[in-house]
Amino acid sequence: DADVTQTPRNRITKTGKRIMLECSQTKGHDRMYWYRQDPGLGLRLIYYSFDVKDINKGEISDGYSVSRQAQAKFSLSLESAIPNQTALYFCAIRDNNEQFFGPGTRLTVL
Amino acid sequence: RKEVEQDPGPFNVPEGATVAFNCTYSNSASQSFFWYRQDCRKEPKLLMSVYSSGNEDGRFTAQLNRASQYISLLIRDSKLSDSATYLCVVNRGNFNKFYFGSGTKLNVKP
Repeated sequence: DADVTQTPRNRITKTGKRIMLECSQTKGHDRMYWYRQDPGLGLRLIYYSFDVKDINKGEISDGYSVSRQAQAKFSLSLESAIPNQTALYFCAIRDNNEQFFGPGTRLTVL
Repeated sequence: RKEVEQDPGPFNVPEGATVAFNCTYSNSASQSFFWYRQDCRKEPKLLMSVYSSGNEDGRFTAQLNRASQYISLLIRDSKLSDSATYLCVVNRGNFNKFYFGSGTKLNVKP
């Protein structure tokens, strides 16, 4: 078990607010990922990081930014939240050739 | 065209039934294949990897057809606890990016 934690677990915010989602892992894995999940669309990759100096855009990075503050921490920010960013957000790590996910953050933008 | 496509279902089956899901992928360079299980509002969890020769884990059998670019998952003797959404996942071999299908929902009924 990769022991990936996410905070907050649920958040309701208003349009235009800045919000940060936090992800931490305890096993020292290099590769970390942020996904969002929408009904009927599956998981879509927002950003991924190979280490603290390496950040890469995924398929839907517009409107998001990330910070890899340390190997164990990978934060996702919405600079100015909009309603279509309402979704379930998952952080994940890669362990060998498998991905392990955090419990998710349910974000609602009003 | 989506990277990975799945029939969304739902598949409604009685306990004890055998059910099969298929998944197709578009990129012939894909090299690693997985089935994940996701319970409602929870994080995806790895069910099994899919190997070229096919593999079995208890009641679950996964197969890969590279020529036709599809992956299958067979569940025998379905249990109520098998009710979930099953996600097909592929990777092109560098393990840096994983591509998720939108999932197939299974409902096993008494």
